[in-house]
Amino acid sequence: EVDMTQSPATLSVSLGEGATLSCRASQSIGTNLAWYQQKPGQAPRLLIYRASTRATGIPDRFSGSGSGTEFTLTITGLQSEDSAVYYCHQYDSWPPWTFGQGTKVEIK
Amino acid sequence: QVQLVQSGAEVKKPGASVNVSCKASGYTFINYFMHWVRQAPGQGLEWMGIIKPSAGTSNHAQKFQGRLTLTRDTSTNTFYMELRGLRTEDTAVYYCAREGRDIDNSDNWFDPWGQGTLVTVSS
Repeated sequence: EVDMTQSPATLSVSLGEGATLSCRASQSIGTNLAWYQQKPGQAPRLLIYRASTRATGIPDRFSGSGSGTEFTLTITGLQSEDSAVYYCHQYDSWPPWTFGQGTKVEIK
Repeated sequence: QVQLVQSGAEVKKPGASVNVSCKASGYTFINYFMHWVRQAPGQGLEWMGIIKPSAGTSNHAQKFQGRLTLTRDTSTNTFYMELRGLRTEDTAVYYCAREGRDIDNSDNWFDPWGQGTLVTVSS
């Protein structure tokens, strides 16, 4: 099973500033990684797949990078609606499909 | 557009079973694998299982072996998740989530997700 570790657990960022979220896999997963955004009471929403491809309708202030075991989700120019929990998800080695424990982004 | 609409919230007693449905629309039902993922209150996402709609075959996470059954009805484009022997720790929101690409492609992300179904297990 591939363990996914996200850091930090919580990130406090001022409006308009940038946020960098990290995700580490316990073994190489190539670029088979997705990022999801989840707001309270809502289902996860796909942001990024193949480590760096934005999903349809996702603003370009969201970007993903990385390969192998180290991945990053970057949010530039944070907006109030970006307050959420973000999860990484590996779909390279399965079953099981595994998720990180999440990073909560809050507005400072 | 692709939509996954799940059944409503359930309250169950320990030891009971629950059946959650997920009705798919907006795409060719048999062409995409469907997953089930759950989220306990305040916790992260946990993969439970996958079903291939064309054949009805499924695969489950080890921890649910013997308690989880995934099925589908191709006449109504609906998926079902049955969890038996409920425990209080099964209290969670249960999601269906379709793979992002069709069955001719492996290694897929999940998109879209159903709205979630809260299952509460309490005596």
